Amino acid sequence: KAGVTQTPRYLIKTRGQQVTLSCSPISGHRSVSWYQQTPGQGLQFLFEYFSETQRNKGNFPGRFSGRQFSNSRSEMNVSTLELGDSALYLCASYSLVRSGRADEQFFGPGTRLTVL
Amino acid sequence: GDSVTQMEGPVTLSEEAFLTINCTYTATGYPSLFWYVQYPGEGLQLLLKATKADDKGSNKGFEATYRKETTSFHLEKGSVQVSDSAVYFCALSGATRQTGANNLFFGTGTRLTVIP
Repeated sequence: KAGVTQTPRYLIKTRGQQVTLSCSPISGHRSVSWYQQTPGQGLQFLFEYFSETQRNKGNFPGRFSGRQFSNSRSEMNVSTLELGDSALYLCASYSLVRSGRADEQFFGPGTRLTVL
Repeated sequence: GDSVTQMEGPVTLSEEAFLTINCTYTATGYPSLFWYVQYPGEGLQLLLKATKADDKGSNKGFEATYRKETTSFHLEKGSVQVSDSAVYFCALSGATRQTGANNLFFGTGTRLTVIP
């Protein structure tokens, strides 16, 4: 079974630009979550999607947005990039058990974004 | 709110030494607890988990017990190897009817280096 795929693996952008990151979950998984990892703030939750609907959102400005497609693939977009957006962006895919809780979350290798 | 406090690193041990990485948590309800490991240049891998009090998670010689009375989930391994060198993250998922979400709250991570 193929793992979680994230593209691109590396990105370099300049301040003010926008960027779109992509995540393809494990086949059969309908849930995707995104996290930002920085040396200063650690791992912080961005969004959770299930069946094309955003279920939960972390404490990030509106410049950060996401969506999920009918095939469960997800994208996140950051507009008007700032230097502080430089980070490793991780995507996790999983199934939900009957209680609505996630079964094991599988993480992709991440996209490393550098903002100059 | 939910949070995880993790032992600061870095930790340097000789091969075959005993490892303990402390983790305590604050959460409402009954969270699930996890240890994730991140090898250089990679995403996160689930190392072990526990979903209720007194559960013991174990994998690859690592163990952690969910202690509700002390709100702790300390990671232990009896004899570390060079290949265990990585960053270890303690995390909790506080999915409840109120939070309705499966976002993970992570500790700051502990870098472990094992020297031959």
